[in-house]
Amino acid sequence: AQSVTQLDSQVPVFEEAPVELRCNYSSSVSVYLFWYVQYPNQGLQLLLKYLSGSTLVKGINGFEAEFNKSQTSFHLRKPSVHISDTAEYFCAVSPRDDKIIFGKGTRLHILP
Amino acid sequence: GAGVSQSPSNKVTEKGKDVELRCDPISGHTALYWYRQRLGQGLEFLIYFQGNSAPDKSGLPSDRFSAERTGESVSTLTIQRTQQEDSAVYLCASSLDEVVTYGYTFGSGTRLTVV
Repeated sequence: AQSVTQLDSQVPVFEEAPVELRCNYSSSVSVYLFWYVQYPNQGLQLLLKYLSGSTLVKGINGFEAEFNKSQTSFHLRKPSVHISDTAEYFCAVSPRDDKIIFGKGTRLHILP
Repeated sequence: GAGVSQSPSNKVTEKGKDVELRCDPISGHTALYWYRQRLGQGLEFLIYFQGNSAPDKSGLPSDRFSAERTGESVSTLTIQRTQQEDSAVYLCASSLDEVVTYGYTFGSGTRLTVV
């Protein structure tokens, strides 16, 4: 079975500072990997996804994530955060023909 | 439609009552998923539809929960004899096919409060 671990439930970051949200997964088969974002009082939006190919994936709003197979990680990064990045971020994994399994989420707090 | 539509957006119900939640997926999306998000928790998978069949209903927490889908369109999630622990946001998502290469498109959810 697949599982996703987001080690940090909350991450406070000063505005314009870099941020990394950590995600580790476990799976015995090849998987697709995703990051979703949930802004306050809104539904989930797809931020980026890794299906195959280049291990560095670029998404919307300046975010990127790197797939590291040996470390089974898919950490999300942004070089400079803005107040509008305040949201909850969910890492997710899916075997290639099955449902998406989500992590518990990381709440990103941007400090002025 | 342009996106996944869920109704109602908010529902307050008394313990023991039945509730019905509706999801209208994006036109042409054959796969439809229901998730539950309790306060402070991640998304918990409930059930998956491919067309109007449900190949995976492993996440339904009890026999009080049921879901159905009409063709490749509207789905309803029914919770009978609601309990306080059913309070959560119920999210519906649809996808172009069951191979999740496109990711899911989520609705805004139904916030269910059982009092």
